[in-house]
Amino acid sequence: TQLLEQSPQFLSIQEGENLTVYCNSSSVFSSLQWYRQEPGEGPVLLVTVVTGGEVKKLKRLTFQFGDARKDSSLHITAAQTGDTGLYLCAGKNNDMRFGAGTRLTVKP
Amino acid sequence: ETGVTQSPTHLIKTRGQQVTLRCSSQSGHNTVSWYQQALGQGPQFIFQYYREEENGRGNFPPRFSGLQFPNYSSELNVNALELDDSALYLCASSEGGPSIQNYGYTFGSGTRLTVV
Repeated sequence: TQLLEQSPQFLSIQEGENLTVYCNSSSVFSSLQWYRQEPGEGPVLLVTVVTGGEVKKLKRLTFQFGDARKDSSLHITAAQTGDTGLYLCAGKNNDMRFGAGTRLTVKP
Repeated sequence: ETGVTQSPTHLIKTRGQQVTLRCSSQSGHNTVSWYQQALGQGPQFIFQYYREEENGRGNFPPRFSGLQFPNYSSELNVNALELDDSALYLCASSEGGPSIQNYGYTFGSGTRLTVV
């Protein structure tokens, strides 16, 4: 059983569309991080959110940490083909645990 | 030195053998974690080391063991390899200690282990 559940598991959209992916848990985390992973590479950190209710924006990406610090969402506006990849959320207390990821494909 | 370097990049071993995977972290990164990532899945936490002591462990048997050295390098050792151990093994390091929440992890590109 995954500590963090990510949905959807797969997402295929056209360039220019908006999308939201979700990360949910029954556990409370001190912080939550989002990573993107390309094939054959390690995950690359996108953002860390620490405070319940926190919203962070990174260009076209908006990240939100739930008020109870159990869940998070990632919203991408006007997706581009370069956004294609595996998006992973990770909850941290003493150590960091990952969800199974959302595999995003953005078609031209 | 910048970034996290893992070696080897690919490895093929026979069932029952032992393997050592190596990781070189950035200077000052005194927390290192190891993950196992099966194809199509998210990384599974194996264990974490902080200042050369094991600081947390996931649901992996004792045949998975590790070491962290003062020069910011670390090792993952796996004994009695099984076919299911075939996966990408990722090393990640952080400048902050385990209780520091706003530091991200820097990952290496991983070692692809195939057990035949």
